[in-house]
Amino acid sequence: QVQLKESGPGLVQPSETLSLTCTVSGFSLTSYSVSWVRQPSGKGPEWMGRMWYDGDTAYNSALKSRLSISRDTSKNQVFLKMNSLQTDDTGTYYCTRVDYSGGPFDYWGQGVMVTVSS
Amino acid sequence: NIVLTQSPATLSVTPGESVSLSCRASQSISTSIHWYQQKSNESPRLLIKYASQSISGIPSRFSGSGSGTDFTLSINRVESEDFSIYYCQQSYSSLNTFGAGTKLELK
Repeated sequence: QVQLKESGPGLVQPSETLSLTCTVSGFSLTSYSVSWVRQPSGKGPEWMGRMWYDGDTAYNSALKSRLSISRDTSKNQVFLKMNSLQTDDTGTYYCTRVDYSGGPFDYWGQGVMVTVSS
Repeated sequence: NIVLTQSPATLSVTPGESVSLSCRASQSISTSIHWYQQKSNESPRLLIKYASQSISGIPSRFSGSGSGTDFTLSINRVESEDFSIYYCQQSYSSLNTFGAGTKLELK
């Protein structure tokens, strides 16, 4: 069955770089796109960016200067790197599979809580 | 950016009532709206896609409607497991956005 699982550090120092990995199973990264979505505690989700099935990427313009998304199809992994972290980057980070139509997020990982603090 | 405004912020109901949750877009987005349910400490779950298309495994009491700028998620006869937060999301723009959510709580 379709599964996504995020991994990465739970605590990041201010101004440092966040590196997260999304490991997927049950589908191919060359057939489906994967998006990263984050959610501050008690707030609505925010779309961060997308790795398209063809290897192209798209980013939220508000984060574009700090964000990079890449993948390793042989390992079924999608990576997120975001630099210059601040306290308002604290929240839960999810990777999601994008529906074949390219619209909704039909499967979500369990999420990883990231705290930015010294 | 396309802003999605959800109302009300909180809806207090008793089990068995039927409810409607609203999502309004800042510009016309055709039917490119999707609805999610998020229970406490869980990941969001897709309920409805493209305004009114059902999702396999989701109870039939959930339905969606609307087009353009005004969208509605309806729950026919709320059950205890439905008390959670509901979000809408648009994919009309390449910069996908979410609403702030409506919390459905027990009255």
